[in-house]
Amino acid sequence: RKEVEQDPGPFNVPEGATVAFNCTYSNSASQSFFWYRQDCRKEPKLLMSVYSSGNEDGRFTAQLNRASQYISLLIRDSKLSDSATYLCVVNPLSSNTGKLIFGQGTTLQVKP
Amino acid sequence: NAGVTQTPKFQVLKTGQSMTLQCAQDMNHEYMSWYRQDPGMGLRLIHYSVGAGITDQGEVPNGYNVSRSTTEDFPLRLLSAAPSQTSVYFCASSYSLGGNSYEQYFGPGTRLTVT
Repeated sequence: RKEVEQDPGPFNVPEGATVAFNCTYSNSASQSFFWYRQDCRKEPKLLMSVYSSGNEDGRFTAQLNRASQYISLLIRDSKLSDSATYLCVVNPLSSNTGKLIFGQGTTLQVKP
Repeated sequence: NAGVTQTPKFQVLKTGQSMTLQCAQDMNHEYMSWYRQDPGMGLRLIHYSVGAGITDQGEVPNGYNVSRSTTEDFPLRLLSAAPSQTSVYFCASSYSLGGNSYEQYFGPGTRLTVT
């Protein structure tokens, strides 16, 4: 079983739609969680950290469910510019070592 | 402030050749990592470093060596290239945002083909 699993999609949605991605992780000791965004043939960039209490940044909302070991990303009012691959990322350790585990990514295509 | 830089951007090697992928960061980050990205596999950690002189293996270290003689540089050496090492290689550096949260900055990647 992979340490971090995501549905690769693609998710094809119209502009203005709300779309949600889930990600599951296998290591219950994992301490911190992130969503990264990767555009085609570009490097990944941090979208948002995921906190235990959930957090929101504009149209983006991230949630963590430790009991079920999954995190989610909700995008409201989708824009064409949201088309990208969204990577679920887990820090499996309790300290910062630069070691992150990445899911394979979920591809989102927002259509006009 | 250039962030994380990688050279070369593209490289073609023949099987058995060796080469070094260069990575440098000018943000004084302690932590640096190397990943490879293959279709359908996501990013997989090759090696990482928590500071100058300290390195450790990630998920897929075989066939690669690293060293960290300075905070700024973290080169990745392919000892004897194989077609299975055809991939996109990303270098990253990170700093702590506080607690267990930290942000990792990636370089633009090196696209390597081994024939």
